[in-house]
Amino acid sequence: QQQVKQSPQSLIVQKGGISIINCAYENTAFDYFPWYQQFPGKGPALLIAIRPDVSEKKEGRFTISFNKSAKQFSLHIMDSQPGDSATYFCAASMAGNTPLVFGKGTRLSVIA
Amino acid sequence: GAVVSQHPSRVICKSGTSVKIECRSLDFQATTMFWYRQFPKQSLMLMATSNEGSKATYEQGVEKDKFLINHASLTLSTLTVTSAHPEDSSFYICSAEKEDTPYGYTFGSGTRLTVV
Repeated sequence: QQQVKQSPQSLIVQKGGISIINCAYENTAFDYFPWYQQFPGKGPALLIAIRPDVSEKKEGRFTISFNKSAKQFSLHIMDSQPGDSATYFCAASMAGNTPLVFGKGTRLSVIA
Repeated sequence: GAVVSQHPSRVICKSGTSVKIECRSLDFQATTMFWYRQFPKQSLMLMATSNEGSKATYEQGVEKDKFLINHASLTLSTLTVTSAHPEDSSFYICSAEKEDTPYGYTFGSGTRLTVV
């Protein structure tokens, strides 16, 4: 049973455009929802994260939108740049030394 | 910020041999460390959770006798792949959760294991 479903699997966006990646979760005990960026051969790096008590969080060009009732959250990358080309993973976890559960990832390509 | 150092970054070993991967939390104490495996173009799959001073908890389908995890101190956890086979070739990543910092996950840079 996949606990975190991520879409799309791949995404091509023009430079300057908006990249949108979506995730849905099933376990209502999850209360932490981060997004990670991973480049080939590297470990994942935290981009931005949100808790269920807010519906949106923005950090620079990155925004998380969170819909608790729908059990969905999304990442928006504004003014996408070629350097943003990477694989993005959504994840979820709950309190108490529990591991992150990852979505399957989205390969983003930003083309000039 | 919190840093997790993972070594080696790449290793090639012969089939049947064992390989040890180390993860160290450099500037914080990690009561819990998580080990993930990532096959090419796939997601991170949790292998096991280790808590300092106790036995690791393995996910279903992960052979505990093949993937030995030791978390002997608050700053070091090791994963030993025993009797490695080509199908064990993968990217192994550790993650440490900082003591007293909920959701303070810090990832290592990963180890690319190739078994020939």
